[in-house]
Amino acid sequence: ETGVTQTPRHLVMGMTNKKSLKCEQHLGHNAMYWYKQSAKKPLELMFVYSLEERVENNSVPSRFSPECPNSSHLFLHLHTLQPEDSALYLCASSQDGGGGMASSYNEQFFGPGTRLTVL
Amino acid sequence: KQEVTQIPAALSVPEGENLVLNCSFTDSAIYNLQWFRQDPGKGLTSLLLIQSSQREQTSGRLNASLDKSSGRSTLYIAASQPGDSATYLCAVYETSGSRLTFGEGTQLTVNP
Repeated sequence: ETGVTQTPRHLVMGMTNKKSLKCEQHLGHNAMYWYKQSAKKPLELMFVYSLEERVENNSVPSRFSPECPNSSHLFLHLHTLQPEDSALYLCASSQDGGGGMASSYNEQFFGPGTRLTVL
Repeated sequence: KQEVTQIPAALSVPEGENLVLNCSFTDSAIYNLQWFRQDPGKGLTSLLLIQSSQREQTSGRLNASLDKSSGRSTLYIAASQPGDSATYLCAVYETSGSRLTFGEGTQLTVNP
């Protein structure tokens, strides 16, 4: 595997289910991100992890719970979601200066996304 | 708060045309600007990244320019092909943290 991978690619869940999205990066990066892409809206940053520490939580509801066990893996645990949470969830990684601070060249590489449908 | 706007929202052109996609941002204090391509239902593919000290970047038929002082970037696509049909996203890296702010994208259709 190369780049950034995400599983599953598609997920349908009921509002009472608990599921998890997985992201893995094979680029040796030290920062990982979750984004949400809803129809007709720009990508929204949800969470940022740098050096396995969460450095940003962009006012995301608690029904979304991220986990970063190491620099290569990022999870998004989902529980009691709402239909409006249906979206494409994208993971990205980058090499940054640590602590979530931007460096002069911290290009983000994206995975293929998980298409989530909440019934 | 940084806002990124892309014009036009949608564009349809015949094959072979040269075209320009526009991106503007409200806060010129950015580190870099990046152009992405997104095919329907898929993730993002990076096309070009322009560092704040640069004015343009080129890759094949693509050329991206950056004017930080005016808060604008353009993506020029030469000799467009049907395979170029996709949504093109512009995003700016802000100076504080690793935040990347996206525009809503331009949906391009190149007709054979």
